[in-house]
Amino acid sequence: EVQLVESGGGLVQPGRSLRLSCAASGFPFDECAMHWVRQAPGKGLEWVSGISLNSGSIAYADSVKGRFTMSRDNAKNSLYLQVNNLRTEDTAFYYCVKPGDEGGFFEYWGQGALVTVSS
Amino acid sequence: EIVMTQSPATLSVSPGERATLSCRASQSVGSKLAWYQQKPGQAPRLLIYGASTRATGIPARFSGSGSGTDFTLTISSLQSEDLAAYYCQQYNSWPRTFGQGTKVEIK
Repeated sequence: EVQLVESGGGLVQPGRSLRLSCAASGFPFDECAMHWVRQAPGKGLEWVSGISLNSGSIAYADSVKGRFTMSRDNAKNSLYLQVNNLRTEDTAFYYCVKPGDEGGFFEYWGQGALVTVSS
Repeated sequence: EIVMTQSPATLSVSPGERATLSCRASQSVGSKLAWYQQKPGQAPRLLIYGASTRATGIPARFSGSGSGTDFTLTISSLQSEDLAAYYCQQYNSWPRTFGQGTKVEIK
């Protein structure tokens, strides 16, 4: 069974940093690209970042480029999102997502980690 | 960036009735269109990919159709557990983009 468990969310002041983690299990993690998708409370879904299976290719949404850094540790079956210089508009649930085998769509989702940016 | 537009924003349907949700892309995405269901307090769940292929375990009352720029998600006979927000997403180009969602209410 595929499991994705996010951690590291919390309340943080504007301008500060946070590191989100995702523990993956139930599938060959080192054979899969992975993504982060976020959702502000009561709002829609926004793709944030994606990483190839060997970290050779990483992409970001324009809204987070230069502030967020996605990485992975295949030996630990773990995914990370370093979020710096946080803004109030970054307040959201951050979901760790595994795409489908055919790619592009998001087949498995974690339960989400809430990041609240407020002074 | 491809803009995805969903309509209506809210849909109120009686149990047993048909629900039809629309999604339009600002440019062609071929058949690279997915639908997700998000129940209150839960993470999204994949319903449909490739515009019309049901994901594993999805009931047959959910069906998807369309190609190019216009897509439809149909719930043939609405059940009370279908109360949720539904999102479309294109994966034909980067960045991956979602529609703003349609909330399905039980009348």
